Amino acid sequence: DSGVTQTPKHLITATGQRVTLRCSPRSGDLSVYWYQQSLDQGLQFLIQYYNGEERAKGNILERFSAQQFPDLHSELNLSSLELGDSALYFCASSASGITYNEQFFGPGTRLTVL
Amino acid sequence: TQLLEQSPQFLSIQEGENLTVYCNSSSVFSSLQWYRQEPGEGPVLLVTVVTGGEVKKLKRLTFQFGDARKDSSLHITAAQPGDTGLYLCAGAPSGGSNYKLTFGKGTLLTVNP
Repeated sequence: DSGVTQTPKHLITATGQRVTLRCSPRSGDLSVYWYQQSLDQGLQFLIQYYNGEERAKGNILERFSAQQFPDLHSELNLSSLELGDSALYFCASSASGITYNEQFFGPGTRLTVL
Repeated sequence: TQLLEQSPQFLSIQEGENLTVYCNSSSVFSSLQWYRQEPGEGPVLLVTVVTGGEVKKLKRLTFQFGDARKDSSLHITAAQPGDTGLYLCAGAPSGGSNYKLTFGKGTLLTVNP
């Protein structure tokens, strides 16, 4: 158990809909990262928040957005969903002050868009 | 864009055999991490290597960071069925305060009993 929690575990929805994925980092970790994993693309970095502020952005679509709240949990919002958005979405967290950025992953949310 | 290429993509071996998987890039990384991921689960950090030429051992797993910090290898001795999983390498970019890790696509290892 990494200490990172994600809900829900599974999510099935239809094209055009909007969903919210939730992540709680390990106790004490200030950084939260979101990743998308699909069979053909592998693990793709989406976005990072550090103590409530956006720190780094990766290949995140404009239809996707995220935020980190004062209690440090984070939400990833996916809107106007398309079939190709079906994937595993992982959240990871890391401790502040670590120069080489070891990340601890949650169990993931499997999103299926029908 | 920093890319990490992992090879082989798939590896199926018998219990007791030795194996090596590779992670290569044309870019320099300040550190490199290895993760193992089991089906339906999140990646689990195995090790972080920071210094060029560094070798770290974790039971039957030996990790090496290349002298130029552009590549890494993972060697497993006497593989066990419990070693089955997707092995991912991830590099942290050299310089600056960018914390964005770059992941390879992984090596899917199957160890047959």
